[in-house]
Amino acid sequence: AQKVTQAQTEISVVEKEDVTLDCVYETRDTTYYLFWYKQPPSGELVFLIRRNSFDEQNEISGRYSWNFQKSTSSFNFTITASQVVDSAVYFCALSEATRDDKIIFGKGTRLHILP
Amino acid sequence: GAVVSQHPSWVICKSGTSVKIECRSLDFQATTMFWYRQFPKQSLMLMATSNEGSKATYEQGVEKDKFLINHASLTLSTLTVTSAHPEDSSFYICSARDAPGDTQYFGPGTRLTVL
Repeated sequence: AQKVTQAQTEISVVEKEDVTLDCVYETRDTTYYLFWYKQPPSGELVFLIRRNSFDEQNEISGRYSWNFQKSTSSFNFTITASQVVDSAVYFCALSEATRDDKIIFGKGTRLHILP
Repeated sequence: GAVVSQHPSWVICKSGTSVKIECRSLDFQATTMFWYRQFPKQSLMLMATSNEGSKATYEQGVEKDKFLINHASLTLSTLTVTSAHPEDSSFYICSARDAPGDTQYFGPGTRLTVL
């Protein structure tokens, strides 16, 4: 079955702290994509990253980093030195080539960065 | 990057009326478009997949006679909510891609409120 689990419903941290958002996925496909999206209060989805199943290299983009581990079916997202503007809902998602690239979203983690 | 627009960005209508939402790819050909629905404080749920020139494929539990999808051109898909009721009030988001495996680009969403 295709499934994405974000166990953390809501997280609050003080500004400048590091925070990691967890994502665990399930799939039977060998070819799939994993995503992270940010949804600020405006509602518009902001694309953060897409990673294919054959590329397990970790990625860093500024204060953002992602850790992809196929052995544990996890694709965790870390924000370093968090800022108030990082406050949003973050969705982890999965798509499978055999399912016409339909994107299945996790339930999201609401992140509050406190000043 | 590629841009997907939605119109209107928000709409309020009376119960029993029909509402049409447009999704346009502005600078690329969208062979496939996806429609999602997001209820308050919930995740995005895929409603249907539409391929240009073909009938849409609906996800389980989505009434195809209530949510009419038309994808008559490579840059435009429309979702019509027929005989809308208050429980149809939601945030509707489309995404579009060209070929299988390509990145999907999301529209900014349409907030529908049915009185």
